[in-house]
Amino acid sequence: EDKVVQSPLSLVVHEGDTVTLNCSYEVTNFRSLLWYKQEKKAPTFLFMLTSSGIEKKSGRLSSILDKKELFSILNITATQTGDSAVYLCAVRAGNQFYFGTGTSLTVIP
Amino acid sequence: DGGITQSPKYLFRKEGQNVTLSCEQNLNHDAMYWYRQDPGQGLRLIYYSQIVNDFQKGDIAEGYSVSREKKESFPLTVTSAQKNPTAFYLCASSETAYNEQFFGPGTRLTVL
Repeated sequence: EDKVVQSPLSLVVHEGDTVTLNCSYEVTNFRSLLWYKQEKKAPTFLFMLTSSGIEKKSGRLSSILDKKELFSILNITATQTGDSAVYLCAVRAGNQFYFGTGTSLTVIP
Repeated sequence: DGGITQSPKYLFRKEGQNVTLSCEQNLNHDAMYWYRQDPGQGLRLIYYSQIVNDFQKGDIAEGYSVSREKKESFPLTVTSAQKNPTAFYLCASSETAYNEQFFGPGTRLTVL
């Protein structure tokens, strides 16, 4: 059975801290791994990773994929209160997407 | 102004009634998807469509039906056969099945 597991389930940090969110997966016919940020309603796209070891970066956020160990991490440096959200990991396997339950991040001033 | 719209935002229905949720996109995307989100669970795929007039079941298709008669539109019908329909429903689209998905604002359905 295809599955995507995210950890931790929730995290509370202070502004300025660095956080690492984890996503591990077991799927057949892996195509890509995606990260989304969900604040209130619609998830917004952050990164899509298809190759191992190549870091994707956008401002204070970065992500990397390890296809041998079947996981990805999302790093956020110098966190701000605006980073508070649920971060979703999704894996495309064949023609379907499988989502993890998400990591709820709360950044307190 | 391009994007994905879903309507209505909130929907209340009595048990036993069918209800249709709207999803429209003007991004010229080929692929469209319907997900259900429940508290403490990840998004679960209900149906997806990679091209007009074609759609496939996801993991939890029972009790739902869709149509894809136009590229821009992918309505979802929640039928009375769906045992636990109260949930947050998200529609998404992607340029092709290989690209990232963009999500609509969602419809919260409550069955009384």
